[in-house]
Amino acid sequence: DADVTQTPRNRITKTGKRIMLECSQTKGHDRMYWYRQDPGLGLRLIYYSFDVKDINKGEISDGYSVSRQAQAKFSLSLESAIPNQTALYFCATSVHGGSPKETQYFGPGTRLLVL
Amino acid sequence: GQSLEQPSEVTAVEGAIVQINCTYQTSGFYGLSWYQQHDGGAPTFLSYNALDGLEETGRFSSFLSRSDSYGYLLLQELQMKDSASYFCAVRVPTGANNLFFGTGTRLTVIP
Repeated sequence: DADVTQTPRNRITKTGKRIMLECSQTKGHDRMYWYRQDPGLGLRLIYYSFDVKDINKGEISDGYSVSRQAQAKFSLSLESAIPNQTALYFCATSVHGGSPKETQYFGPGTRLLVL
Repeated sequence: GQSLEQPSEVTAVEGAIVQINCTYQTSGFYGLSWYQQHDGGAPTFLSYNALDGLEETGRFSSFLSRSDSYGYLLLQELQMKDSASYFCAVRVPTGANNLFFGTGTRLTVIP
């Protein structure tokens, strides 16, 4: 089984709808992240979480919210989706102090299309 | 803020060596990472340099010069499966020692 899973893998929605993307991990990592990837723009950080009670905004948090329901689960919500939120969304995890590299492990991604 | 520059595309021949450069401007710096992403796949970690010099992992090596704010990824004995996008990412001293990614270099390996 994959260590970091994301659901759904693909989603089409309409402008103004609320949607939730979910991420689960079995790696036992404390840190979780949400990124979006757009063609030519690389990966940009939306939100990150140190643990269940710690949520922080990233580079591009406007229009998004998150919830860390448990150490293993981190959800991203779009309260009112708009077309420019069409992108590929990745969840990632890392462990603080476990490695000097702070390597991040990515889920398979969710491809979101907002019409 | 942070900015990273890497070439958008590189083409190389199977069996050859290719170097992908990355220059960066950051407010604070802990290290430079490289990630590989195949089409339709997730980014996967390749290497990390915190200190100047060369780190070697099999066919892949990564180099860092902190004084020049420059690094590169070197891929040797190229294989067709190395065709992918390669991202450099700087780790900076923000609240979570976050990674800031470059825009990626698409490597195409041709026979």
